[in-house]
Amino acid sequence: GQQVMQIPQYQHVQEGEDFTTYCNSSTTLSNIQWYKQRPGGHPVFLIQLVKSGEVKKQKRLTFQFGEAKKNSSLHITATQTTDVGTYFCAGPSGSARQLTFGSGTQLTVLP
Amino acid sequence: KAGVTQTPRYLIKTRGQQVTLSCSPISGHRSVSWYQQTPGQGLQFLFEYFSETQRNKGNFPGRFSGRQFSNSRSEMNVSTLELGDSALYLCASSTMESTDTQYFGPGTRLTVL
Repeated sequence: GQQVMQIPQYQHVQEGEDFTTYCNSSTTLSNIQWYKQRPGGHPVFLIQLVKSGEVKKQKRLTFQFGEAKKNSSLHITATQTTDVGTYFCAGPSGSARQLTFGSGTQLTVLP
Repeated sequence: KAGVTQTPRYLIKTRGQQVTLSCSPISGHRSVSWYQQTPGQGLQFLFEYFSETQRNKGNFPGRFSGRQFSNSRSEMNVSTLELGDSALYLCASSTMESTDTQYFGPGTRLTVL
Protein backbone atom coordinates (compact mmCIF):
# COMPACT_ATOMS: atom_id res chain seq x y z
CA GLY A 1 0.00 0.00 0.00
CA GLN A 2 0.86 3.63 -0.15
CA GLN A 3 3.56 4.87 2.19
CA VAL A 4 4.29 8.43 3.18
CA MET A 5 7.65 9.02 4.79
CA GLN A 6 8.78 12.13 6.58
CA ILE A 7 12.25 13.21 7.59
CA PRO A 8 13.64 14.11 9.96
CA GLN A 9 11.68 12.49 12.77
CA TYR A 10 12.95 15.04 15.27
CA GLN A 11 14.54 18.47 14.87
CA HIS A 12 15.86 20.78 17.55
CA VAL A 13 16.69 24.34 16.49
CA GLN A 14 17.65 27.54 18.21
CA GLU A 15 15.03 30.25 18.01
CA GLY A 16 15.67 32.25 14.87
CA GLU A 17 17.10 29.34 12.88
CA ASP A 18 15.35 27.91 9.86
CA PHE A 19 13.66 24.51 9.75
CA THR A 20 12.69 22.17 6.93
CA THR A 21 10.77 18.91 6.92
CA TYR A 22 10.48 16.65 3.90
CA CYS A 23 7.71 14.35 2.85
CA ASN A 24 7.98 11.54 0.30
CA SER A 25 5.23 9.36 -1.04
CA SER A 26 5.62 5.96 -2.67
CA THR A 27 2.89 6.92 -5.15
CA THR A 28 1.88 10.03 -7.05
CA LEU A 29 -0.48 12.21 -5.05
CA SER A 30 -3.43 14.20 -6.33
CA ASN A 31 -2.77 16.66 -3.55
CA ILE A 32 -0.85 16.96 -0.32
CA GLN A 33 -1.98 18.46 2.95
CA TRP A 34 0.03 19.69 5.89
CA TYR A 35 -1.08 19.67 9.52
CA LYS A 36 0.43 20.91 12.76
CA GLN A 37 -0.11 19.32 16.15
CA ARG A 38 0.94 21.25 19.21
CA PRO A 39 2.05 19.25 22.26
CA GLY A 40 -1.05 17.88 23.95
CA GLY A 41 -3.24 19.07 21.10
CA HIS A 42 -4.80 17.74 17.96
CA PRO A 43 -3.75 18.09 14.31
CA VAL A 44 -4.75 21.39 12.74
CA PHE A 45 -4.90 21.87 8.99
CA LEU A 46 -2.32 24.27 7.59
CA ILE A 47 -2.52 24.07 3.81
CA GLN A 48 -3.24 21.96 0.74
CA LEU A 49 -1.14 21.85 -2.42
CA VAL A 50 -2.60 20.52 -5.64
CA LYS A 51 -0.50 21.50 -8.64
CA SER A 52 2.83 20.07 -9.69
CA GLY A 53 5.63 22.41 -8.58
CA GLU A 54 3.25 24.53 -6.53
CA VAL A 55 4.70 26.83 -3.88
CA LYS A 56 2.58 28.50 -1.23
CA LYS A 57 3.55 30.81 1.58
CA GLN A 58 1.95 31.56 4.91
CA LYS A 59 3.98 34.26 6.64
CA ARG A 60 7.21 32.49 7.63
CA LEU A 61 6.07 29.07 6.31
CA THR A 62 6.79 28.00 2.72
CA PHE A 63 5.24 24.85 1.29
CA GLN A 64 6.34 23.14 -1.91
CA PHE A 65 4.88 20.31 -3.94
CA GLY A 66 7.33 18.43 -6.13
CA GLU A 67 7.19 18.35 -9.89
CA ALA A 68 6.42 14.62 -9.87
CA LYS A 69 3.78 15.13 -7.14
CA LYS A 70 5.47 12.52 -4.97
CA ASN A 71 7.27 14.79 -2.53
CA SER A 72 6.71 17.95 -0.59
CA SER A 73 8.49 20.17 1.88
CA LEU A 74 7.66 22.65 4.59
CA HIS A 75 10.22 25.35 5.37
CA ILE A 76 9.97 27.69 8.34
CA THR A 77 12.11 30.81 8.30
CA ALA A 78 13.39 32.25 11.57
CA THR A 79 11.62 29.83 13.89
CA GLN A 80 9.81 31.07 16.97
CA THR A 81 8.80 29.21 20.12
CA THR A 82 5.22 29.24 18.83
CA ASP A 83 6.34 26.94 15.99
CA VAL A 84 6.89 24.07 18.43
CA GLY A 85 4.90 20.97 17.54
CA THR A 86 4.73 18.02 15.19
CA TYR A 87 4.23 18.67 11.50
CA PHE A 88 2.48 16.03 9.42
CA CYS A 89 2.01 15.71 5.72
CA ALA A 90 -0.88 13.67 4.38
CA GLY A 91 -1.97 12.49 0.99
CA PRO A 92 -4.97 10.65 -0.45
CA SER A 93 -4.21 6.96 -0.86
CA GLY A 94 -5.48 6.48 -4.38
CA SER A 95 -8.54 4.34 -4.72
CA ALA A 96 -8.81 3.73 -0.98
CA ARG A 97 -10.17 7.26 -0.51
CA GLN A 98 -8.47 7.84 2.78
CA LEU A 99 -5.70 10.13 3.92
CA THR A 100 -2.36 8.54 4.65
CA PHE A 101 -0.38 10.55 7.14
CA GLY A 102 3.36 10.77 7.27
CA SER A 103 5.11 9.85 10.49
CA GLY A 104 5.57 13.51 11.38
CA THR A 105 8.50 15.74 12.28
CA GLN A 106 8.63 16.89 15.87
CA LEU A 107 10.08 20.39 16.07
CA THR A 108 11.58 21.77 19.26
CA VAL A 109 12.60 25.42 19.33
CA LEU A 110 15.10 26.36 22.00
CA PRO A 111 14.84 29.94 23.28
CA LYS B 1 -19.05 27.55 13.85
CA ALA B 2 -18.39 25.20 16.70
CA GLY B 3 -15.56 22.78 16.14
CA VAL B 4 -15.51 19.01 16.36
CA THR B 5 -16.26 17.79 19.85
CA GLN B 6 -15.38 14.43 21.36
CA THR B 7 -16.45 12.80 24.58
CA PRO B 8 -15.13 11.66 26.89
CA ARG B 9 -11.72 13.29 26.81
CA TYR B 10 -10.08 10.66 28.97
CA LEU B 11 -10.90 7.03 29.70
CA ILE B 12 -9.27 4.31 31.72
CA LYS B 13 -10.37 0.75 31.09
CA THR B 14 -9.07 -2.72 31.81
CA ARG B 15 -8.29 -5.49 29.38
CA GLY B 16 -11.33 -7.30 28.08
CA GLN B 17 -13.72 -4.42 28.60
CA GLN B 18 -15.35 -2.50 25.82
CA VAL B 19 -15.55 1.22 25.23
CA THR B 20 -17.65 3.65 23.23
CA LEU B 21 -16.37 7.03 22.10
CA SER B 22 -18.50 9.82 20.73
CA CYS B 23 -17.88 12.51 18.15
CA SER B 24 -19.97 15.48 17.01
CA PRO B 25 -18.76 16.92 13.69
CA ILE B 26 -18.81 20.51 12.55
CA SER B 27 -22.31 21.52 11.56
CA GLY B 28 -22.88 20.75 7.88
CA HIS B 29 -20.02 18.26 7.63
CA ARG B 30 -21.21 14.87 6.50
CA SER B 31 -18.03 12.84 6.53
CA VAL B 32 -16.64 11.65 9.86
CA SER B 33 -13.35 9.79 10.05
CA TRP B 34 -11.69 8.15 13.01
CA TYR B 35 -7.95 7.87 13.56
CA GLN B 36 -5.80 6.14 16.13
CA GLN B 37 -2.65 7.97 17.19
CA THR B 38 0.15 6.21 19.05
CA PRO B 39 3.81 7.17 19.48
CA GLY B 40 4.96 4.10 17.61
CA GLN B 41 2.49 3.97 14.73
CA GLY B 42 1.62 7.62 14.23
CA LEU B 43 -1.78 8.57 12.85
CA GLN B 44 -3.63 5.61 11.43
CA PHE B 45 -6.97 5.69 9.68
CA LEU B 46 -9.65 3.52 11.29
CA PHE B 47 -12.79 4.17 9.23
CA GLU B 48 -14.98 6.81 7.71
CA TYR B 49 -18.73 7.29 7.83
CA PHE B 50 -20.89 9.24 5.45
CA SER B 51 -24.68 9.39 5.48
CA GLU B 52 -24.83 6.75 8.21
CA THR B 53 -22.81 4.28 6.13
CA GLN B 54 -19.27 3.11 6.56
CA ARG B 55 -17.62 4.24 3.36
CA ASN B 56 -13.95 3.46 4.00
CA LYS B 57 -12.14 1.20 6.39
CA GLY B 58 -8.54 1.02 7.49
CA ASN B 59 -6.57 -2.04 8.44
CA PHE B 60 -7.86 -2.66 11.95
CA PRO B 61 -9.42 -5.81 13.45
CA GLY B 62 -13.15 -6.28 13.72
CA ARG B 63 -13.05 -5.32 17.40
CA PHE B 64 -13.08 -1.76 16.15
CA SER B 65 -16.44 -0.66 14.86
CA GLY B 66 -18.43 2.49 14.48
CA ARG B 67 -21.65 4.03 13.39
CA GLN B 68 -23.07 7.34 12.34
CA PHE B 69 -26.44 8.79 13.17
CA SER B 70 -28.78 10.82 11.01
CA ASN B 71 -27.47 14.07 12.53
CA SER B 72 -23.91 13.04 11.46
CA ARG B 73 -22.81 12.39 15.02
CA SER B 74 -20.63 9.30 15.19
CA GLU B 75 -19.58 6.73 17.72
CA MET B 76 -16.80 4.22 17.66
CA ASN B 77 -16.68 1.09 19.75
CA VAL B 78 -13.77 -1.08 20.72
CA SER B 79 -14.62 -4.47 22.19
CA THR B 80 -12.42 -6.82 24.17
CA LEU B 81 -9.82 -4.16 24.86
CA GLU B 82 -6.14 -5.02 24.67
CA LEU B 83 -3.18 -3.18 26.17
CA GLY B 84 -2.13 -2.14 22.68
CA ASP B 85 -5.37 -0.23 22.20
CA SER B 86 -4.08 2.50 24.50
CA ALA B 87 -3.94 5.54 22.26
CA LEU B 88 -5.35 8.92 21.41
CA TYR B 89 -8.47 8.42 19.30
CA LEU B 90 -9.15 11.34 17.04
CA CYS B 91 -12.31 12.10 15.19
CA ALA B 92 -12.19 14.36 12.15
CA SER B 93 -14.97 15.77 10.05
CA SER B 94 -14.91 17.04 6.50
CA THR B 95 -17.49 18.41 4.12
CA MET B 96 -17.88 15.46 1.77
CA GLU B 97 -14.83 13.26 1.30
CA SER B 98 -12.47 11.59 3.75
CA THR B 99 -9.62 12.98 1.63
CA ASP B 100 -10.82 16.55 2.01
CA THR B 101 -9.39 18.85 4.68
CA GLN B 102 -9.79 17.11 8.00
CA TYR B 103 -11.01 19.12 10.99
CA PHE B 104 -9.93 17.22 14.05
CA GLY B 105 -11.52 17.08 17.46
CA PRO B 106 -9.49 17.20 20.67
CA GLY B 107 -9.41 13.42 20.89
CA THR B 108 -10.14 10.83 23.53
CA ARG B 109 -7.15 9.54 25.44
CA LEU B 110 -7.80 5.85 26.15
CA THR B 111 -5.64 3.98 28.61
CA VAL B 112 -6.04 0.21 28.90
CA LEU B 113 -4.66 -1.36 32.06
